[in-house]
Amino acid sequence: GQQVMQIPQYQHVQEGEDFTTYCNSSTTLSNIQWYKQRPGGHPVFLIQLVKSGEVKKQKRLTFQFGEAKKNSSLHITATQTTDVGTYFCMNYGGATNKLIFGTGTLLAVQP
Amino acid sequence: DAMVIQNPRYQVTQFGKPVTLSCSQTLNHNVMYWYQQKSSQAPKLLFHYYDKDFNNEADTPDNFQSRRPNTSFCFLDIRSPGLGDAAMYLCATSIQGTKNIQYFGAGTRLSVL
Repeated sequence: GQQVMQIPQYQHVQEGEDFTTYCNSSTTLSNIQWYKQRPGGHPVFLIQLVKSGEVKKQKRLTFQFGEAKKNSSLHITATQTTDVGTYFCMNYGGATNKLIFGTGTLLAVQP
Repeated sequence: DAMVIQNPRYQVTQFGKPVTLSCSQTLNHNVMYWYQQKSSQAPKLLFHYYDKDFNNEADTPDNFQSRRPNTSFCFLDIRSPGLGDAAMYLCATSIQGTKNIQYFGAGTRLSVL
């Protein structure tokens, strides 16, 4: 069945360093959504990518969708302590019309 | 503010004692979801409703049931909770369509003694 893996599982950075998480699927994705979950909180929608090769930016966050629509990345420039949390990618739809969350990347930022 | 509200925030039950978790929404979204999230794991979809149409995930145990009496409310019933059912239960809503952006409630943390 379809699997959506994220790497790394955990990343610890110094405040001000950059951070990237990668989302990889075994099958072609119809779209990719990214969510952030703060410790003790609930997932909050960040963005959706639909087109092959699409790049979107939100302030210090840059989201990319791969040309083959099988992978995506989230890059944070100059991390801040407020960026702490788990970042999940999620796909809805595709051949199986399923909703699947990626395995998540936990980001820790040391001041 | 329009939102997704889950009650209670914390629930303690005994092994085998039925428990019901509730979710309400003021977003008027036609899709409602229930997820189970265990520590350090991704949310796992249990089932969802498109309006009144119930969609169960293939690997959701029979121990988990759901009811949606109207657009605004959705309930998760755990008939005989086991120790392995201790988790955070998240309710989410979305508008059926190409985006299906999930709006999550704050969750109910279930403990089973």
